[in-house]
Amino acid sequence: EPEVTQTPSHQVTQMGQEVILRCVPISNHLYFYWYRQILGQKVEFLVSFYNNEISEKSEIFDDQFSVERPDGSNFTLKIRSTKLEDSAMYFCASSRDRALIYYEQYFGPGTRLTVT
Amino acid sequence: AQSVAQPEDQVNVAEGNPLTVKCTYSVSGNPYLFWYVQYPNRGLQFLLKYITGDNLVKGSYGFEAEFNKSQTSFHLKKPSALVSDSALYFCAVSAGGGNKLTFGTGTQLKVEL
Repeated sequence: EPEVTQTPSHQVTQMGQEVILRCVPISNHLYFYWYRQILGQKVEFLVSFYNNEISEKSEIFDDQFSVERPDGSNFTLKIRSTKLEDSAMYFCASSRDRALIYYEQYFGPGTRLTVT
Repeated sequence: AQSVAQPEDQVNVAEGNPLTVKCTYSVSGNPYLFWYVQYPNRGLQFLLKYITGDNLVKGSYGFEAEFNKSQTSFHLKKPSALVSDSALYFCAVSAGGGNKLTFGTGTQLKVEL
């Protein structure tokens, strides 16, 4: 069964550094998402992406964050200048289409980001 | 705003016994409700969803969930638990025709022999 993959599984970085988290969505999916979970808290929506544009973003997704689909397979989340509070598990997801009534979101295993 | 509450951090049950993992939600409009499961080092796997229709929804691996509009609940159930069901379970909601999922904090299910 096709899976969403994410690399790296764990990323440690110093405060103020830029990080790029990588995801390979399922190949025939058109919608892509990033979620994050701070330890002990809820999984939170960050952004959705379709047709090379952001389709929706949360208030968490400020100017420090950006997403890109640099080629036909990868989907990346960049944090320009990391803060301690960015430490979290970041999940990538993809779906065939937008309508949840028909199409589930498939999630990757997550990247644990630790900012020191 | 939409939100989900999973009141139990952990649920312990003996193998062969029925299990229930609780979820309540708050949304404006009609809710779309989901259960996902996460095994160690794996992504969140879709189990089942409620969109409309029958309040009892059946999903993967023998799981089912009951939608209760008056109690704004969507509890996950299984008649007979297996040790292999031990995992982290997430309830999620979406509303208003959007595709943004709002998750609960997750419930760790432990099934023991």
